Amino acid sequence: GAVVSQHPSRVICKSGTSVKIECRSLDFQATTMFWYRQFPKQSLMLMATSNEGSKATYEQGVEKDKFLINHASLTLSTLTVTSAHPEDSSFYICSAQYQVSSYNEQFFGPGTRLTVL
Amino acid sequence: AQRVTQPEKLLSVFKGAPVELKCNYSYSGSPELFWYVQYSRQRLQLLLRHISRESIKGFTADLNKGETSFHLKKPFAQEEDSAMYYCALRGRGGGNKLTFGTGTQLKVEL
Repeated sequence: GAVVSQHPSRVICKSGTSVKIECRSLDFQATTMFWYRQFPKQSLMLMATSNEGSKATYEQGVEKDKFLINHASLTLSTLTVTSAHPEDSSFYICSAQYQVSSYNEQFFGPGTRLTVL
Repeated sequence: AQRVTQPEKLLSVFKGAPVELKCNYSYSGSPELFWYVQYSRQRLQLLLRHISRESIKGFTADLNKGETSFHLKKPFAQEEDSAMYYCALRGRGGGNKLTFGTGTQLKVEL
């Protein structure tokens, strides 16, 4: 149980276009999901916390208008990279929060590799 | 501010040798500490949390508040332990956000 999927797994786009990445909790409901960004050989950096039915909470330095997050249902959160540029190329990972034995645990998706040409 | 430091990018040991992956943290309060593991071509998954005080796959980690450390240990490394290991911290009342260290690549050689 507690499986999280991401779609697409890999995307290549031209500079200036927008890209949407989906994060789904397949067998549980998640009121809270998280979006991370990971550069090669570096750690996961939290971008924002996605809350179902309300606005996302962005970390300092993350542009809200650049990285649009929508958590429209208890099983789906989307991250849209608007007007993507080469510097947005990265590995984007989502996680969904689920309570396991009284602990809040994050279950991670497989990630989406974004390449902006 | 909360910070997690993993000083080693790569740790290479022989099969059967003891393993210790270092993790130090900075947090003004009582944090929750975790170790996550990412095997080749797989997603990140929780290995263990300090609250549970459990041994998973032979790994243990003790929270040392005096040294602000949460080192991951295993007495005898196995080939299947080769993976990327991330130490992570969750502050109290921080909205369940995780702060990750930079990770240590463990390579177990035969």
